[in-house]
This record gives sequence, C-alpha cells and structure tokens, in this order.
Amino acid sequence: GDSVTQMEGPVTLSEEAFLTINCTYTATGYPSLFWYVQYPGEGLQLLLKATKADDKGSNKGFEATYRKETTSFHLEKGSVQVSDSAVYFCARGGSEKLVFGKGTKLTVNP
Amino acid sequence: DTAVSQTPKYLVTQMGNDKSIKCEQNLGHDTMYWYKQDSKKFLKIMFSYNNKELIINETVPNRFSPKSPDKAHLNLHINSLELGDSAVYFCASSLDKLAGTIDTQYFGPGTRLTVL
Repeated sequence: GDSVTQMEGPVTLSEEAFLTINCTYTATGYPSLFWYVQYPGEGLQLLLKATKADDKGSNKGFEATYRKETTSFHLEKGSVQVSDSAVYFCARGGSEKLVFGKGTKLTVNP
Repeated sequence: DTAVSQTPKYLVTQMGNDKSIKCEQNLGHDTMYWYKQDSKKFLKIMFSYNNKELIINETVPNRFSPKSPDKAHLNLHINSLELGDSAVYFCASSLDKLAGTIDTQYFGPGTRLTVL
C-alpha cells in the first residue's frame, strides 16, 4: 500500500546549520507530495508541496524537490533558526487521503 | 479569523464516560477529517467526510462515531472512553476540487484528551 518513510529523529542542530530531512514514498502513480510542520502545542501547517515530478516546493527558506527516479522528497534548509524547532511530517497523496510519515523532531540550539 | 476550529482544547475525563469533540471550518471546503496523534507524534487518520458523506472509516472501534450535520462541521463522539484513547485529536479540512485528488489539508489546533 501507500507509504512514506522519513528519517527518524530527533535531530539537533546549532543555529545556522544546514538541514536535511530525508523522505521517500512508495511509487503508486504520481502522487502530490507535502511537507507539514507542527510547532509545539499547535496543529499541523502546510510548509510546502509539489504536485509533479521535478517540481520544487519552497517556503520560509525550506525547499524540497519531487524526484520521481528516486521516489524522494527531501526537505532542506541552508541555515536553520531556533524558531524552526518543530516536528516535520512528510506526506503523499493516497487514495482519498494523505499518508503521513512518522515525523521528525528538529531542535535548533542558539 | 480561525479557519479550522475545535472545541474543547483540553478534555480530561474518567474511563467509561462519553464525550464529544466539535470541529468547524469556515473555508468552504468539501472534505473534513479526524486524525489521532499519539504520544510519539504518529498521526493516524480515523475518518473523512465529503459533503456530509462518510468516505473513509479506518479501523477505528465502534465507540468512535463521527457526525456531520453540514459540510462545515464534523463532530466526534466517543463512548465508553478507555485509557488508550488518550491522545491529541486533530480535525482537518480540504477543498478536493476533483474526485480522488488530494488537496492541501488545513488542520485545527487539536484537542488533548486525557482519560484517567
């Protein structure tokens, strides 16, 4: 069935470090791909998305590129801030629903 | 203006009780969802409704019953609460312009349910 695998956390970085959170998905058709972010005590918010191969989603300095050949949608940011501390979820469109990865907790220290 | 709202934000109750969580969206979306998030942050879909019609009913105990009085509201009623029901419950909605397509989902702030 549809699934999403993302790197397990927690991830701890210093401010201004480079961030990569890996995400791969099962390749049934050409699903839309999403990254959601959950700040402490809040619901999930859409961070970025891509709807077809080679699309790059970007927002708030974060980027992810839809790679059909490697079935991946890795999240990157060149210089993280303390305010980026949150849980990040990769997701793919499935049959009538989103399929989420297990989430990766990021902590950024000053 | 709050897009997707849930009440209550916190709910503490005893085992065996019956409780409800309410959700409303003012985005004009057609589809609404309930998710359960456990203590490890794992997110699991429970139900989805499209224009008041049940679309998804994952393997959820019969004690959980969603009700959609109109397409802007999706409430969750839970009978005979158990310890294992303790979690954060999120409501979400999406537009889903085309049948079978998955559009961006907008989440509510969550309801933290604690069963004692």
